[in-house]
Amino acid sequence: DMKVTQMPRYLIKRMGENVLLECGQDMSHETMYWYRQDPGLGLQLIYISYDVDSNSEGDIPKGYRVSRKKREHFSLILDSAKTNQTSVYFCASSPTGREQYFGPGTRLTVL
Amino acid sequence: GDSVTQKQGQVTLSEDDFLFINCTYSTTTYPTLLWYVQYLGQGPQLLLKVTTANNKGISRGFEATYDKGTTSFHLQKASVQESDSAVYFCALVWDSGYNKLTFGKGTVLLVSP
Repeated sequence: DMKVTQMPRYLIKRMGENVLLECGQDMSHETMYWYRQDPGLGLQLIYISYDVDSNSEGDIPKGYRVSRKKREHFSLILDSAKTNQTSVYFCASSPTGREQYFGPGTRLTVL
Repeated sequence: GDSVTQKQGQVTLSEDDFLFINCTYSTTTYPTLLWYVQYLGQGPQLLLKVTTANNKGISRGFEATYDKGTTSFHLQKASVQESDSAVYFCALVWDSGYNKLTFGKGTVLLVSP
């Protein structure tokens, strides 16, 4: 059964703190993604990774960075979190770039 | 650039009603069009895929079709159930080789018993 996992599921941080969101997949997919979802805005692409150490900015990369040192693991890092980064973050992976498999999401609140 | 527009923000139906959700797209290539469904508290999951080759997709009682003439694609179901309550996203596949999707803003479907 194809699976994408995300940790943690819920996170509360104070403004200025660093945030690490983790994503894992057990399907050996080369391509992985980070999105954020806000009411009325749909899914916005933050970063895309084509394989280990091969990352590319998405549509809204400002304030975020990513790390992918193993094919099955993709991290999203917020250095000095801001209140406007409060959102639900989704990780996804894809074997083809067309059919994406999403994780359950991380709800991040920055106070 | 490629874009997709999903204007219906919310649709409220009763069980056994007919569902129709519409998206329009703009792209210079022949697109693959997808429908994702997101249930409360979960991530989106692929519901249907439609390509220029097949013009239609069917899954779980849902049917997706697209119209090249009007550059629009539709999701429909003859008889919705309360369990179909979810957010439905249309998405356009970029055929530029970048493995990216462009998502619509989503339509919230509420089905009352």
